[in-house]
Amino acid sequence: GAVVSQHPSWVICKSGTSVKIECRSLDFQATTMFWYRQFPKQSLMLMATSNEGSKATYEQGVEKDKFLINHASLTLSTLTVTSAHPEDSSFYICSASTRVDSNSPLHFGNGTRLTVT
Amino acid sequence: GESVGLHLPTLSVQEGDNSIINCAYSNSASDYFIWYKQESGKGPQFIIDIRSNMDKRQGQRVTVLLNKTVKHLSLQIAATQPGDSAVYFCAEKNSWGKLQFGAGTQVVVTP
Repeated sequence: GAVVSQHPSWVICKSGTSVKIECRSLDFQATTMFWYRQFPKQSLMLMATSNEGSKATYEQGVEKDKFLINHASLTLSTLTVTSAHPEDSSFYICSASTRVDSNSPLHFGNGTRLTVT
Repeated sequence: GESVGLHLPTLSVQEGDNSIINCAYSNSASDYFIWYKQESGKGPQFIIDIRSNMDKRQGQRVTVLLNKTVKHLSLQIAATQPGDSAVYFCAEKNSWGKLQFGAGTQVVVTP
């Protein structure tokens, strides 16, 4: 089945530093990947849609200059949290679909736990 | 705005019993729905999906029911096992391919 891999699975960084999270589709090509954020005991909230070869589109309220997304190839998207602060501590999850049409499930990575101290 | 929501935040089920997790959605234009299972510290795992031209779909030990009249979705798990303990999310996919998640239901399986 479709496998999405995220790296790292967890990261601790100091306030003010930047952190890069990678999302890879291992056995399929993904023209579109999605980045979600999940706070404890809450649901997943879509942050942005990552499109291969073009700029990401961000959801309302998500700072594009803070959460930099790069989708340079059909199998890799990266999310960089710039100048991280403690309030950015969260569980970041990426997802991808094997098909472009709307009626196919998204496959998720296992998430990255970010802790900013 | 329109959203997908769940009725019960926590469901306690005895091992071997059937579980029913409910979900209400408000976007009548939604035509594709997915149930995900999320274990602690992991990403959501696909369970089953259903298109709006269907009202029932069965998988292994799971059944999804869709009632478009009242905009209600449910997930039934037969013979619930300890490994079924997790948070379950219904999700609604819009025409742009974006997935909108409900609040989630914590299923706790007791021996």
